[in-house]
Amino acid sequence: DGGITQSPKYLFRKEGQNVTLSCEQNLNHDAMYWYRQDPGQGLRLIYYSQIVNDFQKGDIAEGYSVSREKKESFPLTVTSAQKNPTAFYLCASSRGQGSMNTEAFFGQGTRLTVV
Amino acid sequence: AQTVTQSQPEMSVQEAETVTLSCTYDTSESDYYLFWYKQPPSRQMILVIRQEAYKQQNATENRFSVNFQKAAKSFSLKISDSQLGDAAMYFCAYRSAYAGGTSYGKLTFGQGTILTVHP
Repeated sequence: DGGITQSPKYLFRKEGQNVTLSCEQNLNHDAMYWYRQDPGQGLRLIYYSQIVNDFQKGDIAEGYSVSREKKESFPLTVTSAQKNPTAFYLCASSRGQGSMNTEAFFGQGTRLTVV
Repeated sequence: AQTVTQSQPEMSVQEAETVTLSCTYDTSESDYYLFWYKQPPSRQMILVIRQEAYKQQNATENRFSVNFQKAAKSFSLKISDSQLGDAAMYFCAYRSAYAGGTSYGKLTFGQGTILTVHP
């Protein structure tokens, strides 16, 4: 089945450590996105990528880094520079611009907790 | 930069009645897409409806319809014959389609509206 997979579902991190969240899609989508969601809040864009080997900062990129070496994969690293990393992280993908169907498909999310 | 505003943090509706969720956005672009997503307690994001900015006709999907006012930059969602399963958080989203812009492909969400459906 085609879809978008995030792993792990739950992640615990000690303060001062970097941690990487995985996002893989087999939908052959060009675009991929990372969002952060705090309790009762909306989705805030961290990074997005329209094509392999290229990505742009979203609205809250500080303390995060990404790579897009393969079309299928868009991992997010939460660095120690992120002062308040505890949140729910959502990854999404969509077809590139110019396609009829431009909606984003989402993974199940990763709950990151700093301990 | 594009912004999306949902001014209603919470809304409630009686089962079988109609409710309208509001969304406004700010952009200088003429080419874009608008979406409504639903996030139930499972937190899985589900697409409800999509609207292309170049289309004047309002999108409709079964009990869900939109009122797209391009000049006013307004994109409201109407849910008719509300059901208990409609209870969720609803997000309005904007995706830039302007190839010459710095935000090409950027997908921006509003703050969300929590919808409660009363039996």
